[in-house]
Amino acid sequence: DIQMTQSPSSVSASVGDRVTITCRASQGISSWLAWYQQKPGKAPELLIYAASSLQSGVPSRFSGSGSGTDFTLTISSLQPEDFATYYCQQANSFPLTFGGGTKVEIK
Amino acid sequence: EVQLVESGGGLVQPGGSLRLSCAASGFTFSSYAMSWVRQAPGKGLEWVSGISGSGVNTYYADSVKGRFTISRDKSKNTLYLQMNSLRAEDTAVYYCAKDPGVAAENWFDPWGQGTLVTVSS
Repeated sequence: DIQMTQSPSSVSASVGDRVTITCRASQGISSWLAWYQQKPGKAPELLIYAASSLQSGVPSRFSGSGSGTDFTLTISSLQPEDFATYYCQQANSFPLTFGGGTKVEIK
Repeated sequence: EVQLVESGGGLVQPGGSLRLSCAASGFTFSSYAMSWVRQAPGKGLEWVSGISGSGVNTYYADSVKGRFTISRDKSKNTLYLQMNSLRAEDTAVYYCAKDPGVAAENWFDPWGQGTLVTVSS
């Protein structure tokens, strides 16, 4: 199985800050990676797919990069509605696996 | 508008069974792969099982293999998860989720609102 390791597990940031979250796969997954945002009590929402493609309706301050084993989600200017938990997920092979999550908290 | 509505969750004793349903609307159900993903209280996301659009191919996490069965009914536009031999560690909110591409891409958009399964005596 492919293990997905996210870091950091939590980050404190202020509105307007640039935030970067990393995700590492235990083996190469090409660009088969997605990022999700989850707010408390809500279902996750797809932000980025194929490592760097922005899902329709997602603000352009979100971006993804990387391929192979190392990936990054960047929020260029943090907004109040962005405080949430973020997950990466590999879509390369079954069983599909998620990272442990990164909680973005208000500083 | 694509909608996914889960039902069937509840309290069940260890060793018991439960069947979850996910009613789909707003898209051609048989054209898209579907999955179940769960989230234990206060924990992260865990993919549980997936099924191809045709229903021919099914996939399972090791943690549920042999105990859970995924299926779909094209005539009812409904996805199912039959859960047997339930354990305390199966306690979670269970989400159904749609593969956004006709060619299965194995990411999920959208998700249902979730249904809570609690395994406890």
